[in-house]
Amino acid sequence: RKEVEQDPGPFNVPEGATVAFNCTYSNSASQSFFWYRQDCRKEPKLLMSVYSSGNEDGRFTAQLNRASQYISLLIRDSKLSDSATYLCVVLLNTGFQKLVFGTGTRLLVSP
Amino acid sequence: NAGVTQTPKFRILKIGQSMTLQCTQDMNHNYMYWYRQDPGMGLKLIYYSVGAGITDKGEVPNGYNVSRSTTEDFPLRLELAAPSQTSVYFCASSSRQGVGPNEKLFFGSGTQLSVL
Repeated sequence: RKEVEQDPGPFNVPEGATVAFNCTYSNSASQSFFWYRQDCRKEPKLLMSVYSSGNEDGRFTAQLNRASQYISLLIRDSKLSDSATYLCVVLLNTGFQKLVFGTGTRLLVSP
Repeated sequence: NAGVTQTPKFRILKIGQSMTLQCTQDMNHNYMYWYRQDPGMGLKLIYYSVGAGITDKGEVPNGYNVSRSTTEDFPLRLELAAPSQTSVYFCASSSRQGVGPNEKLFFGSGTQLSVL
């Protein structure tokens, strides 16, 4: 089983739509959680950290469910510029604190 | 405000050739990392460093070497290039190990390497 699993997509949505991505992780000792955004052939950039109580940043809402070991990202009022791959990232403490990256979920927002 | 700078952006190697991917950061970060990203795959950690003079293996170190003689520089060396090393390579840095909820990785813009 992969340490971090994501649906690769692509998710095709029209502008203005609401879209949600889920991510599951296998190690219950995972400490911290993040969503990174990666544009085609570019470096990943931090979108937002995910806090236990859930958190919101503008049109983006992240949720964490430790009991079920999944993380979600909700994007409201999708923009064309939201088209990208969204990487779920989990911090594991295995002696060295290791960041484990999911393979990403691709989002395509169309006019 | 340069951040993390990687060179070259693209490179084609023949099997058996060697090369060094350069990475430098100007944020005085102690922690630096090299990742590779294969198509449709997540980033895999090759090597990391927790400070000048200290390096250690990540998940996929075979075929690579690193050094960290200064805080700023963390070059990645491929000694005998193989087709399996065709990938996109990202260097990254952080001010803390592993990063906590309020920290993040700063990535370079990547190196697209093809071994033919």
